[in-house]
Amino acid sequence: DQQVKQNSPSLSVQEGRISILNCDYTNSMFDYFLWYKKYPAEGPTFLISISSIKDKNEDGRFTVFLNKSAKHLSLHIVPSQPGDSAVYFCAALLTSGTYKYIFGTGTRLKVLA
Amino acid sequence: EAQVTQNPRYLITVTGKKLTVTCSQNMNHEYMSWYRQDPGLGLRQIYYSMNVEVTDKGDVPEGYKVSRKEKRNFPLILESPSPNQTSLYFCASSYLGQVDTEAFFGQGTRLTVV
Repeated sequence: DQQVKQNSPSLSVQEGRISILNCDYTNSMFDYFLWYKKYPAEGPTFLISISSIKDKNEDGRFTVFLNKSAKHLSLHIVPSQPGDSAVYFCAALLTSGTYKYIFGTGTRLKVLA
Repeated sequence: EAQVTQNPRYLITVTGKKLTVTCSQNMNHEYMSWYRQDPGLGLRQIYYSMNVEVTDKGDVPEGYKVSRKEKRNFPLILESPSPNQTSLYFCASSYLGQVDTEAFFGQGTRLTVV
């Protein structure tokens, strides 16, 4: 039972354009959502997070939107750069009675120069 | 430099031969966890620990053990490895109770069980 889903395994975007990565979840009890970026042969690195009580968080070129009624979040990268090419993981954190991270399956972003 | 260190980075072993993958962090984080990454399945949590001597199962704990005797170390133990445990493993650590709770990951251990 996949509680966090990234339905697009891959995405290609032209340099300078917007990249939109999507993530859906099923558990309304998640407290935080996070995005991680992963380059080959490296561990994931934290990108941006959002609390479940907010609907938007912005950090430079990266913005995460949370739609709780739709159980959907998205990561916007504007403008996209070739260095953004990586696998992006969406993750949800459950802290009620536990402290578990649930990750999605990842979306491979390719930014074309 | 703040970091999570895993060893070894690469390991090939035979079925049934006990092995330990070490994980150490220098950030005084309370929370540590282990994940495996498999194609099409993303990152799946194996075990986690919220503090010394406190460990709990993640989503895929079968075939694995962990211990947390010290705050900085969180080894992953495979008592009798099997080929289906061939995977890329990541250790991670973070603070508990902060609003923006990000996990720091190690560089990964690629394990092959033949």
